Amino acid sequence: DTGVSQNPRHKITKRGQNVTFRCDPISEHNRLYWYRQTLGQGPEFLTYFQNEAQLEKSRLLSDRFSAERPKGSFSTLEIQRTEQGDSAMYLCASGSTDTQYFGPGTRLTVL
Amino acid sequence: EDQVTQSPEALRLQEGESSSLNCSYTVSGLRGLFWYRQDPGKGPEFLFTLYSAGEEKEKERLKATLTKKESFLHITAPKPEDSATYLCAVQDPSGTYKYIFGTGTRLKVLA
Repeated sequence: DTGVSQNPRHKITKRGQNVTFRCDPISEHNRLYWYRQTLGQGPEFLTYFQNEAQLEKSRLLSDRFSAERPKGSFSTLEIQRTEQGDSAMYLCASGSTDTQYFGPGTRLTVL
Repeated sequence: EDQVTQSPEALRLQEGESSSLNCSYTVSGLRGLFWYRQDPGKGPEFLFTLYSAGEEKEKERLKATLTKKESFLHITAPKPEDSATYLCAVQDPSGTYKYIFGTGTRLKVLA
């Protein structure tokens, strides 16, 4: 299966710690997206890459959040000084046309 | 403001009892409407893309239709394995390719 993969699948951390998530998109896709989803809600857009260029960031993405996509391949999302409100499912998606294909997500729990 | 509203929030059906889920949208120029299925703890799974009013797409027991203001996901003779949350999204009309999601419809099909 060559779908979108995300690691880790689950992360438990203490408030104030830094965490980093990785996303490996479908290889031929040049667009990569990060979303955040909380219980009972639909995914909310965080940021978008076209190849290695980060073209848009949501206002949801505070200064504590940073995302990279070196060489236009995999992407990382880092959250510094985590807060309990950061607890959510972090979803990565990729695409080369209008349709986005999602990974399994990383479930973050901040204690 | 661009919005996506899904109804009902939750739906319980008996096996074989057909029904429809609704997704209404307000965007200034639809660039694409997307349906996804999401199982608990997993990422959204792509189902359909619709672009213009009158368009229909089918896959097994599911059929998606589109009008100028809303989309319907028709489920014919559902089975327990169709139980999931169904998410609707529209592509942001500003041209950034990001999605605006609704909050989903939680479907439970009873045997």
